[in-house]
Amino acid sequence: GIQVEQSPPDLILQEGANSTLRCNFSDSVNNLQWFHQNPWGQLINLFYIPSGTKQNGRLSATTVATERYSLLYISSSQTTDSGVYFCAVPPSPGSARQLTFGSGTQLTVLP
Amino acid sequence: EPEVTQTPSHQVTQMGQEVILRCVPISNHLYFYWYRQILGQKVEFLVSFYNNEISEKSEIFDDQFSVERPDGSNFTLKIRSTKLEDSAMYFCASGGQGETEAFFGQGTRLTVV
Repeated sequence: GIQVEQSPPDLILQEGANSTLRCNFSDSVNNLQWFHQNPWGQLINLFYIPSGTKQNGRLSATTVATERYSLLYISSSQTTDSGVYFCAVPPSPGSARQLTFGSGTQLTVLP
Repeated sequence: EPEVTQTPSHQVTQMGQEVILRCVPISNHLYFYWYRQILGQKVEFLVSFYNNEISEKSEIFDDQFSVERPDGSNFTLKIRSTKLEDSAMYFCASGGQGETEAFFGQGTRLTVV
């Protein structure tokens, strides 16, 4: 099945700093999603981005499908951005509706 | 904005008891999923459901688990005889026809004691 690797595994920032999280995947995909898991365990949908670039406020994401990676940018980070960020892709081209999650990036934003 | 809702947000149950986790998918969606996340681990796929039947399931989804869409709005996950290792966050998701994005609920934390 597809391999999904996220980096870095842990990231500590001061409030106001910018960051880039990376997601590499081992096969071509027709779906890629980014999620934020808050400290209460809730999973928040961030982006559906199988290709191209999207922006939502201080967050933006870019997927370069031909090179099999996606980047999540967080600008002017706030303490509420803390949590785990997951990317997820289908396990195979025929399973577009089932997702394989990466191990996540644990982000801590310090006041 | 439409969203997937899950109830309860937290459930505590005795080992060996049956538990039913409930989800209300987005109303016009046709594809439904359950995922599980044991504390500190990855989110893992359990099962997908389409056209009133299971379309895919993982190795985790054994005979202790079942899913049902009892009416036009709810989608449930039943665990027949809970074990300590069933303690986890359970996430429901749904997807629409002709699109590949999955919309996730915020999860039910199941604690088996």
